[in-house]
Amino acid sequence: EAQVTQNPRYLITVTGKKLTVTCSQNMNHEYMSWYRQDPGLGLRQIYYSMNVEVTDKGDVPEGYKVSRKEKRNFPLILESPSPNQTSLYFCASSLKGGMNTGELFFGEGSRLTVL
Amino acid sequence: AQKVTQAQTEISVVEKEDVTLDCVYETRDTTYYLFWYKQPPSGELVFLIRRNSFDEQNEISGRYSWNFQKSTSSFNFTITASQVVDSAVYFCALRGSGGYNKLIFGAGTRLAVHP
Repeated sequence: EAQVTQNPRYLITVTGKKLTVTCSQNMNHEYMSWYRQDPGLGLRQIYYSMNVEVTDKGDVPEGYKVSRKEKRNFPLILESPSPNQTSLYFCASSLKGGMNTGELFFGEGSRLTVL
Repeated sequence: AQKVTQAQTEISVVEKEDVTLDCVYETRDTTYYLFWYKQPPSGELVFLIRRNSFDEQNEISGRYSWNFQKSTSSFNFTITASQVVDSAVYFCALRGSGGYNKLIFGAGTRLAVHP
């Protein structure tokens, strides 16, 4: 079954304690990205990756890091989480951008609370 | 700049009523895609429809219909004979003609359908 898998789905942590949210896709997609969802703001892109070892900032990258060492995985790293990073996070993947593609497949979301 | 506006923050209806969710977008691209996603209380994002900028035909899928009007930069979504299971947050999103698959989301409209 084609899917994007995120872990953990729920996490409560404390300020400053490094954490990683993993994302894995089994569709051999080149493109992967991370979004955060906040009330009244919709979803905003944090980082994206066009392929292995190619990553770039989205609209709200501050406080986050990513890596793309393998095609299937795109972890989101919070080196020193702060309460303003409390949010619902979504990983997404697709075939490489282009006007004949574009279907984004989303993971189920990871709800992160930073105390 | 690209932007999606969903002016209706919350809508409350009684079952079997028709309801229209508004979406207005801004883009300078001549080629773009518009999307609707549903987010039920369980939190995942469910893809509903994608429409490209060259196709202004209205779309109907069961009780769902979409009205795309380039002249007013709108892509409205109507649910006919609403049901309790339609209760969710609905997001409208825009993808421009850039070489990567970034979606610009509206803030979302929370629809509550009461029995």
